[in-house]
Amino acid sequence: RKEVEQDPGPFNVPEGATVAFNCTYSNSASQSFFWYRQDCRKEPKLLMSVYSSGNEDGRFTAQLNRASQYISLLIRDSKLSDSATYLCVVKAGDSWGKLQFGAGTQVVVTP
Amino acid sequence: DAGVTQSPTHLIKTRGQQVTLRCSPKSGHDTVSWYQQALGQGPQFIFQYYEEEERQRGNFPDRFSGHQFPNYSSELNVNALLLGDSALYLCASGLHSGGEKLFFGSGTQLSVL
Repeated sequence: RKEVEQDPGPFNVPEGATVAFNCTYSNSASQSFFWYRQDCRKEPKLLMSVYSSGNEDGRFTAQLNRASQYISLLIRDSKLSDSATYLCVVKAGDSWGKLQFGAGTQVVVTP
Repeated sequence: DAGVTQSPTHLIKTRGQQVTLRCSPKSGHDTVSWYQQALGQGPQFIFQYYEEEERQRGNFPDRFSGHQFPNYSSELNVNALLLGDSALYLCASGLHSGGEKLFFGSGTQLSVL
């Protein structure tokens, strides 16, 4: 079983619509959680950290459910520029710099 | 302020050869991690260097080795290349005492023929 699992998609989303997707993680000792964005074969870029209380950054909302060991990302009012692969990332507490990445969820925003 | 820089951007090798990839961390960063990203997969952690020592290692064979220099730059070496080593190799840097935020370089695309 993979440590971080994501629905690969693609999620085809009309411009202006809302899209949401989850990722699950297997290590209950995981302490830090992130969403990264990756454009085609470019470097991953940090989109947002995910906190237990949930957090919002503009049109993006992230949630963490420790009991069920999943993380979610919701994108409101989708823009064409939101088309990318979204990588779910988890880190155990004792592993500075060692991130566990999911395989990514592809989002395609269409006009 | 230069970000994380990697060289070369692309590389073609044949099976059995050896390769060295290079990474310069973002200014002020002292820790470098290396990741391998195969097509359609997420990045996989190879190892991390801090204070010129390998501090953590992922599930990669010892054909993969590295080094960190006093100026914090780093090299990744892969010996006896296999076809399956074809991937995007990403370097990420951070400040060990400054939290978990990592910055990635744009990677080296390695093709093994």
